Amino acid sequence: GAVVSQHPSWVICKSGTSVKIECRSLDFQATTMFWYRQFPKQSLMLMATSNEGSKATYEQGVEKDKFLINHASLTLSTLTVTSAHPEDSSFYICSATALKSSYNEQFFGPGTRLTVL
Amino acid sequence: QQQVKQSPQSLIVQKGGISIINCAYENTAFDYFPWYQQFPGKGPALLIAIRPDVSEKKEGRFTISFNKSAKQFSLHIMDSQPGDSATYFCAAKNSGYALNFGKGTSLLVTP
Repeated sequence: GAVVSQHPSWVICKSGTSVKIECRSLDFQATTMFWYRQFPKQSLMLMATSNEGSKATYEQGVEKDKFLINHASLTLSTLTVTSAHPEDSSFYICSATALKSSYNEQFFGPGTRLTVL
Repeated sequence: QQQVKQSPQSLIVQKGGISIINCAYENTAFDYFPWYQQFPGKGPALLIAIRPDVSEKKEGRFTISFNKSAKQFSLHIMDSQPGDSATYFCAAKNSGYALNFGKGTSLLVTP
């Protein structure tokens, strides 16, 4: 149980275009979903926290107008990178906390590799 | 600032040996300490986790040792195998908040 999927697994886009990444909890309802960014050989950097039906809370230094997060249901959150530029190229990973989890365990998706040309 | 400090940055262990990764934290409000394993190009996978009310937790070849007074916890991988070669992240959180990750340890288990 506790499976989180992401789609797409990789995407290549041209500079200036927007890209949407989906994060789904497949077999549980998620109270909270998190979006992380990871550069090569580095740790995960939290970008934002989102709760279903609420506006996302962004970490300091993360542009909320550039990284749009929508958490429309208890099983789906989306991250849209607007007007992407090469410096946005990274590995984006989402995670979800189960509604019934006693320890607020976070389960991670497989990640999405974004390359902006 | 880095709320969880992890060491070593990289580790090479022979097959069959014990791999030990250490983490330290400052925030005494943290009440959940998981370890994640990440293979290249994949998301992190929860390996094992501990709460501060116990000093040790074992799952198969993986053991977490927790020292509340020292604010330290460690991951021990017994009988390390080449398939264990991956990056390991420790993390800590308090209820309702996001995980604070260590910087990661790249483990290589040689045949």
